Amino acid sequence: SYALTQPPSVSVAPGETARITCGANNIGGTSVHWYQQKPGQAPALVIYYDRDRPSGIPERFSGSNSGNTATLTISRVEAGDEADYYCQVWDSNNDDRVFGGGTKLTVL
Amino acid sequence: QVQLLESGPGLVKPSETLSLTCSVSGDSIDGYWWSWLRQPPGKGLQWIGYVYYTGSTKYKPSLKSRVTISVDTSKDQFSLRLTSVTAADTAVYYCARGGDIWQTGAWGPGILVTVSS
Repeated sequence: SYALTQPPSVSVAPGETARITCGANNIGGTSVHWYQQKPGQAPALVIYYDRDRPSGIPERFSGSNSGNTATLTISRVEAGDEADYYCQVWDSNNDDRVFGGGTKLTVL
Repeated sequence: QVQLLESGPGLVKPSETLSLTCSVSGDSIDGYWWSWLRQPPGKGLQWIGYVYYTGSTKYKPSLKSRVTISVDTSKDQFSLRLTSVTAADTAVYYCARGGDIWQTGAWGPGILVTVSS
């Protein structure tokens, strides 16, 4: 089955840039979606199809995807960005929808 | 705006069947895919499967033998059945609108189901 690898945690100071990676063999060949989840809440979509932002998501959130790594970049990090972030793809070989293990973003 | 709400038992015994229902309001159930996802306590998200409003389904391969998802358009509801549950099936179960991407606000609040005797 398709496995997506995320770092368990990323820490940044307010105002800095956070980069959260999602790795898999040739992930650049598929579309990646990113979700933000705060404690006790359902996930919220922050990036879809690698780099598109849903309405209401600040421009500070951006995405890229190439080779074996997709990246969610959060610029000018704010305290309110502290959350768990999950990448997700459609595994076409198995017709499965797969999530990464999640990355806890801590704002120092 | 669509609203979803999960309902069902919060406690299921090992080897028994987990049954949950998702009630949809604020929008028609017609024309959409409807998914179940879950999240074990302290762990990541897992897609379980989806049903199209016509009744066609798609399941996660690793769960396929134990999962049934159905839809009742007359009641604006769709349901999940998971058989032969074990402690590993303990999770918060979410219903959501969509088959491949799940938009913000198109999720239920989640329901914790514990598998324990």
